[in-house]
Amino acid sequence: SQQGEEDPQALSIQEGENATMNCSYKTSINNLQWYRQNSGRGLVHLILIRSNEREKHSGRLRVTLDTSKKSSSLLITASRAADTASYFCATVVRGRYSTLTFGKGTMLLVSP
Amino acid sequence: EADIYQTPRYLVIGTGKKITLECSQTMGHDKMYWYQQDPGMELHLIHYSYGVNSTEKGDLSSESTVSRIRTEHFPLTLESARPSHTSQYLCASSESVGSNYGYTFGSGTRLTVV
Repeated sequence: SQQGEEDPQALSIQEGENATMNCSYKTSINNLQWYRQNSGRGLVHLILIRSNEREKHSGRLRVTLDTSKKSSSLLITASRAADTASYFCATVVRGRYSTLTFGKGTMLLVSP
Repeated sequence: EADIYQTPRYLVIGTGKKITLECSQTMGHDKMYWYQQDPGMELHLIHYSYGVNSTEKGDLSSESTVSRIRTEHFPLTLESARPSHTSQYLCASSESVGSNYGYTFGSGTRLTVV
């Protein structure tokens, strides 16, 4: 079964609003990563948070990690139309070979 | 700017044909990966490699095979393509040491078998 599950599956907002996406996972992890995928293209790495970190920022992105709840959230502030994409969380499972396991993704639509 | 290149970008091919999807990276990464993704769905790991002459199967069973003769090159081959192989194939690479690094992905090959 899939390690990560994103919520919501789809999100539609207006430019300037904030977008929050959540990810839950099942087993202990080394780190959790967020990626963006524009339609039909490859994925772009956004941010990585280690299992001993609780919050991380990168530009307009803020990621939190709660290992007790096995969950993470990605916040995009002041969204732009160019942020329209699918967002995936991915985990590196503790103790396993260090390959990434992806969730199903959240499709974000930002309207002008 | 992507430093990992996949060719072709799109491929439409008939059933039974042999195909090779190319993946090359210029970053000197030892670790490389192939993922399969159906439209609107999650990515599934089908093959990975930790270095030259090292290849392993991933979580999703695949009829494809891979080779790693050079560090920068990680091609994927289907000996006899079938419609069930229609999908997007994404190649990625990552730093050699440890697991606290993000992956760099290519733009993908969208394969259609008719």
